[in-house]
Amino acid sequence: EAQVTQNPRYLITVTGKKLTVTCSQNMNHEYMSWYRQDPGLGLRQIYYSMNVEVTDKGDVPEGYKVSRKEKRNFPLILESPSPNQTSLYFCASRPDETDLVGYTFGSGTRLTVV
Amino acid sequence: AQKITQTQPGMFVQEKEAVTLDCTYDTSDPSYGLFWYKQPSSGEMIFLIYQGSYDQQNATEGRYSLNFQKARKSANLVISASQLGDSAMYFCAMREGSFGNEKLTFGTGTRLTIIP
Repeated sequence: EAQVTQNPRYLITVTGKKLTVTCSQNMNHEYMSWYRQDPGLGLRQIYYSMNVEVTDKGDVPEGYKVSRKEKRNFPLILESPSPNQTSLYFCASRPDETDLVGYTFGSGTRLTVV
Repeated sequence: AQKITQTQPGMFVQEKEAVTLDCTYDTSDPSYGLFWYKQPSSGEMIFLIYQGSYDQQNATEGRYSLNFQKARKSANLVISASQLGDSAMYFCAMREGSFGNEKLTFGTGTRLTIIP
């Protein structure tokens, strides 16, 4: 089944403890992106990647890192999480410039930083 | 300025009635795309409908249609004959820019509740 898989689905952690949220897609998509969703703010883009080894900042990149060493994986790294990073996180992918519609979203990761 | 504006934080609609969710957008890019997504309480993002800026006809997908008024920069979602399962959060989104530097921007969402 074609999908974007995020892990974990739920995570509670403490301030300052490094964590990684994984994102993997099995559709050979070139474009991948991370969003955070907060009440009243909708989804905001954190980072995106057009292809392997190519990443760029979105609207709210502070406090996050990403890497794209392989086409299928796009992990989101929080080096020193803080409570203001408590949020619902989504990974998304899209095939390439020929497909204008086909964003596929993961199921989301609900992160709580205490 | 907000790129995507959804002015209705919440709506209550009687089952079987039609409902219109408002969305206005702001871009200077001549080529852009507009999306609607549904987010049920389980949290996943479900794609509903897409309208390209050069599309002449309004997009339709089953009970969903997109009322695209380009001059007014509005892209309202119309759901006909609403059902209880339509209760969810709905997001309007806009893609602009070319593939190398494209951006997908979301509105703040409208929470729709269908009343039996």
